[in-house]
Amino acid sequence: GDSVTQMEGPVTLSEEAFLTINCTYTATGYPSLFWYVQYPGEGLQLLLKATKADDKGSNKGFEATYRKETTSFHLEKGSVQVSDSAVYFCALRAMFSGGYNKLIFGAGTRLAVHP
Amino acid sequence: NAGVTQTPKFQVLKTGQSMTLQCAQDMNHNSMYWYRQDPGMGLRLIYYSASEGTTDKGEVPNGYNVSRLNKREFSLRLESAAPSQTSVYFCASRGGAQETQYFGPGTRLLVL
Repeated sequence: GDSVTQMEGPVTLSEEAFLTINCTYTATGYPSLFWYVQYPGEGLQLLLKATKADDKGSNKGFEATYRKETTSFHLEKGSVQVSDSAVYFCALRAMFSGGYNKLIFGAGTRLAVHP
Repeated sequence: NAGVTQTPKFQVLKTGQSMTLQCAQDMNHNSMYWYRQDPGMGLRLIYYSASEGTTDKGEVPNGYNVSRLNKREFSLRLESAAPSQTSVYFCASRGGAQETQYFGPGTRLLVL
C-alpha cells in the first residue's frame, strides 16, 4: 500500500544552520505531496505542497521538490530560526476505493533549534 | 472565522467509560476526518466523512463510532474506553480551491 518514510529525529541545529529533513514515498500513480508543521500544543498546519513531478513547493523559507525518479520530497531551509522548532510531517494524498482521497502521514521529525 | 474547533482539550477516563469528542468547522467544507496521533507513528485515520450523512472507516476504526450531525459537526465516540486508546485526537476538514486539510488543535485523551 501507499506509505511515507521520513528521517527519524530529533534533529538538533544551531540557529542559522542549514536544514534537510528526508522524505521518501511509495505510491501507485502520481500522488500530491505535502509537508505539514506542528508547533508545540497546536494542530498541524500545511507548510507547502507539490502536485506533480519537478514541482517545487515553498513557504516561509522552506522548500521541497517533488522528485519522481527518486520518489522523494525532502524539506530544506537555508537558515533555520529558533521559531522553526516544531515537528514536521511529510504526507501524500492517496485515493480510497470509493474515489475519495485521504492523507497518509510519515511518523514525523522533531526539529529543535538552539540560539 | 475560528476554523476547526475541538472539545475538550484534555480528558482522563477510566477503562470502560464512554465519551464523545466534539469537532466543528465553520469553513463550509464537505469533508471531515478524525485522526489519532501516537509517538513514532504519525497520524492515522480513524474515520472519514465525505459529506453530511456519510461516514467511512479509515485505517484504525475499531473501538470508535462517529456521527456527522450536520455539515459543521463531526463527533467521535468511544463506547468503552481502553488504555490503548490513550492518544491525541485531531479533527480535520477539507475544502477550498486547494483542497487543503485544516486541523483542529487536538484533544489529549488519557485512559487509565
